[in-house]
Amino acid sequence: KNEVEQSPQNLTAQEGEFITINCSYSVGISALHWLQQHPGGGIVSLFMLSSGKKKHGRLIATINIQEKHSSLHITASHPRDSAVYICAVTWTRGADGLTFGKGTHLIIQP
Amino acid sequence: SQTIHQWPATLVQPVGSPLSLECTVEGTSNPNLYWYRQAAGRGLQLLFYSVGIGQISSEVPQNLSASRPQDRQFILSSKKLLLSDSGFYLCAWSVQPNTEAFFGQGTRLTVV
Repeated sequence: KNEVEQSPQNLTAQEGEFITINCSYSVGISALHWLQQHPGGGIVSLFMLSSGKKKHGRLIATINIQEKHSSLHITASHPRDSAVYICAVTWTRGADGLTFGKGTHLIIQP
Repeated sequence: SQTIHQWPATLVQPVGSPLSLECTVEGTSNPNLYWYRQAAGRGLQLLFYSVGIGQISSEVPQNLSASRPQDRQFILSSKKLLLSDSGFYLCAWSVQPNTEAFFGQGTRLTVV
C-alpha cells in the first residue's frame, strides 16, 4: 500500500527556533505538497514540489526524489506559525488524487 | 483568478438525517474535482474524484455519494447520516492530477 509518513507527530518549540518537519513516502511520486491547517480553519497550500528546493518567506521546502523524502523548514519561528502541517503526494502510478500524511501539530511558544 | 467555495463551514446533524455539501470552483474550466475526509485522529483520505460532468470515481465504499451536475460544481451527499460520518470534509481541485491542488475551507461535520 502506498503510504506517506510524517515526523514528528507533535512538536513544541520556542519562538525564534529553526523548525524541521519531515515527510517520507513509499514509491515514486509526480508531486509533493506541503499544506498548512490552522485550528478550525481550512487548508492552505504552501508548496508543490517535484524536485529541488523552494522558498517562500521564512518557509523552505526541499525534496530528495532518490531518498523519497521531503522536509519543510521554518526559520525564525513565530507563534502565528502554530498549525498542523501536512505532507501530501500524487503517486506516479495509482489512483488519482492526493495521499496525505497524518500531519505534524506544531506549537510555537512565545 | 481561480477560487473555490465550500460550504457550510460547520454543520451539526442528527443521525439518520440527509447531508448535502456543496463545492464550486470559479475561474477555470473542466477542473479535476475531489472530496476528501479527515476522521478523528487520521489523515485526509480521498472519497471521490471527478474528471468531468457526471463522471464520479469512488475510492472508499461508504455511506456517501457524490455528484457533478455542472462543470464547476461538486456535491457530497448522504441519505442517512451515521455517527461515523463525523469528520472534516475538504473539497479540492486541480487542472491535472500532478499539478498544484487548491483547497476549499472545509466543512466540519458532527453527527449527533
